[in-house]
Formats: sequence, structure tokens, C-alpha cells
Amino acid sequence: DTAVSQTPKYLVTQMGNDKSIKCEQNLGHDTMYWYKQDSKKFLKIMFSYNNKELIINETVPNRFSPKSPDKAHLNLHINSLELGDSAVYFCASSGGTSGEQFFGPGTRLTVL
Amino acid sequence: GENVEQHPSTLSVQEGDSAVIKCTYSDSASNYFPWYKQELGKRPQLIIDIRSNVGEKKDQRIAVTLNKTAKHFSLHITETQPEDSAVYFCAARGGSYIPTFGRGTSLIVHP
Repeated sequence: DTAVSQTPKYLVTQMGNDKSIKCEQNLGHDTMYWYKQDSKKFLKIMFSYNNKELIINETVPNRFSPKSPDKAHLNLHINSLELGDSAVYFCASSGGTSGEQFFGPGTRLTVL
Repeated sequence: GENVEQHPSTLSVQEGDSAVIKCTYSDSASNYFPWYKQELGKRPQLIIDIRSNVGEKKDQRIAVTLNKTAKHFSLHITETQPEDSAVYFCAARGGSYIPTFGRGTSLIVHP
């Protein structure tokens, strides 16, 4: 069974559009995250969500917003897409005392 | 906040050689130091981790060492194989549950 899943795997869209990426984890974890990985491979944390507490990286534009309908899901909404938003977006979760983060397979977003 | 520096950014070795990747951190409260491996086109996956009450940990060909006084930790891979080629990330986590990642090291193992 897939521990952390994301859809879609690939997303190609035009500038100015609004899009969403969905993430689900079946590990029973309390904390979920969104990361952006650019072409230089740097993993930049965008959001973390723990027991309804949202921590936002202050450098993330407010066009990005996470939505958590329940503990197992953390979706990412992006408004007014820009060329610079092109990247791979990873969802992750962690829980318990181990500290290990489990990553989803990633969503490659291309903005044309 | 925490700041993690990782070096080198690229490491090229011959098959069978050893590889060492080094990280430093700034927050003395950090107590958990994981290492992730990301193969091309795949997700990052944990390969080994160490907590601040331990100085060294080994798992087959990989080992991690931690020097709390100097605030640095290192990943050692012995007898490298082509399948070790990947991007490796170190991270540090302290009082906050959010880890801070290094910028990654691209390891290339030449057959």
C-alpha cells in the first residue's frame, strides 16, 4: 500500500491558471508538509500542518494555500500560476517519535 | 532559526572508493539528524539517522558521525557502487518538529 500518495504526477498548465495538487497519507501521522524542489534540487519547505496548526514559510507567496479537510489529507492550491512556480512539489508526513519524514512521489508542475 | 550547510555540492568517486559528505548546523538545541537519498526522478527516502545522544551509527556500508560540540555531522559511504549515485540530503531538527534540510550533494559513482 502506498504510504503517501499525490495526484497528479504531472501537471502542465498556462500562466495565470489556478490549480490544485492533492496529498493523502495512510500512516496515521499527525503532521504533513509541502516542499518545493527546484531545478537545483534544493528542498524548500513551504508549509507544515500539525493538529490544525499551520506553519507557513514566510517566503512563500500568498498565491499558495494549503487546505486540510482531515488529518490524512493536505492539499495545495495555487492561484495565478507564474513561470517561476515550475518545480517538483513533494508532500510528506511524519508522526510519533521517530522524526522520519515519508515523502510522496512528487508532482512535476510545468507552467507555460 | 536553524541553518544547515552541506558540502560538497557535487562528489565524484570511482566504484569501490569511499565517499564523505559533511554538514554543519547552527542550533545547539537540534537533536535529530537524518540523511535522505534521492535517486533521479524519485522521492527522497531516509537511509540513516542519528540522535544527539549517540556519536556514531552504522548500517552496512553507510555510517553517520555526530560531533555536538563542533555542531557537525557526516555521512560516510564505503565501497561505493554505481547504485549509490543519487542526491543526498542532510537535515537537522530541534525543538520544532520541522527539519531544516541542507542543499544536497550529488554523488556520482563511476564504474
